[in-house]
Amino acid sequence: TQLLEQSPQFLSIQEGENLTVYCNSSSVFSSLQWYRQEPGEGPVLLVTVVTGGEVKKLKRLTFQFGDARKDSSLHITAAQTGDTGLYLCAGHSDNYGQNFVFGPGTRLSVLP
Amino acid sequence: DVKVTQSSRYLVKRTGEKVFLECVQDMDHENMFWYRQDPGLGLRLIYFSYDVKMKEKGDIPEGYSVSREKKERFSLILESASTNQTSMYLCASSFPGHWGQPQHFGDGTRLSIL
Repeated sequence: TQLLEQSPQFLSIQEGENLTVYCNSSSVFSSLQWYRQEPGEGPVLLVTVVTGGEVKKLKRLTFQFGDARKDSSLHITAAQTGDTGLYLCAGHSDNYGQNFVFGPGTRLSVLP
Repeated sequence: DVKVTQSSRYLVKRTGEKVFLECVQDMDHENMFWYRQDPGLGLRLIYFSYDVKMKEKGDIPEGYSVSREKKERFSLILESASTNQTSMYLCASSFPGHWGQPQHFGDGTRLSIL
């Protein structure tokens, strides 16, 4: 059983479309991070959210942390082929020390 | 920029061999981590270390051990490789922090056990 669930597992869209991917848990997290992993590379941190209800924007990417700090969403506006990759969420709580628990990821393909 | 370097991108070994995966970071990070990544399972923590000579088991330590003799280097050891250890292995490092610091990852080692 995954502590963090991500949906959808796979997503294939055309360039220019909008999309939202989700990260859900029954546990409360003190912070949550989103990473993007491109083929043949390690994950790279996109954002960290720490406050319930927090919204952060990174160019065309909008991240939201749920009010109860159990879930998060990533919205991409006008997707580009360069957004293709595996999007991973990772949650931290005091129970984990300095570690994170990772979700299984959403694999996004943006087609030209 | 932080650089985490893993010694091999691809590695093929035989069942029963002792396998060493090396990871070096250049940012003086105290924390280092080893994960394995399998489709549909995400990243699972094998071992971690918060300081030199210190090591702690993660979620799936069975069949693995680690060594941290120097701050910048964290080695993962497969004592007797088995086919179910075929996977992508990722090393990461970070500064210490109460609520979790961003982790910087290497590009991974894709290990095949035949």
